[in-house]
Amino acid sequence: GAVVSQHPSRVICKSGTSVKIECRSLDFQATTMFWYRQFPKQSLMLMATSNEGSKATYEQGVEKDKFLINHASLTLSTLTVTSAHPEDSSFYICSAIRVRSNQPQHFGDGTRLSIL
Amino acid sequence: GIQVEQSPPDLILQEGANSTLRCNFSDSVNNLQWFHQNPWGQLINLFYIPSGTKQNGRLSATTVATERYSLLYISSSQTTDSGVYFCAVVTTDSWGKLQFGAGTQVVVTP
Repeated sequence: GAVVSQHPSRVICKSGTSVKIECRSLDFQATTMFWYRQFPKQSLMLMATSNEGSKATYEQGVEKDKFLINHASLTLSTLTVTSAHPEDSSFYICSAIRVRSNQPQHFGDGTRLSIL
Repeated sequence: GIQVEQSPPDLILQEGANSTLRCNFSDSVNNLQWFHQNPWGQLINLFYIPSGTKQNGRLSATTVATERYSLLYISSSQTTDSGVYFCAVVTTDSWGKLQFGAGTQVVVTP
């Protein structure tokens, strides 16, 4: 069964809306979670690294005020797309690892975000 | 940063055929994973294989870390094998961040 749960799976909303996506590790404590974005026909690009109890680390070119990340517990990280616009439409997917080392990453099923 | 190159970019197979997908990487890695992304976007873990050989049913993978490449073998392909196959690596100084290749789009026809 899935070890990482992501919710919601699909969101369609109007421009200017803020959208929250949740990523939960179901049967392990995830000290680190990662958020990726994938545009159609492209690969996954890392947006940010989310560490429990501390500020997220964002990749170059990713606006931290646009994509708010909170990792309040060892099993939950959230990504909020603030004041979303059509260009934010994409597939967002999270992953989690047990420890910050060489463990395999487990991915959620992704969230397809469409901004009208 | 590390470069991850996958080949071929596209592959069309007839059901029952065998194929090999390749992943080259430009630096030492301490984690390598192969994924299958299905048409619904789900990323399925196939192998965690920083070195050596593993097999799981009709799929197998080999990573030769010293030569910086990994191979994914699909035998007796089925239409359900269609999708995009990604190779992703973690380097020693990347703190667990996966760097993905561009993927191989596989279409298996009946």
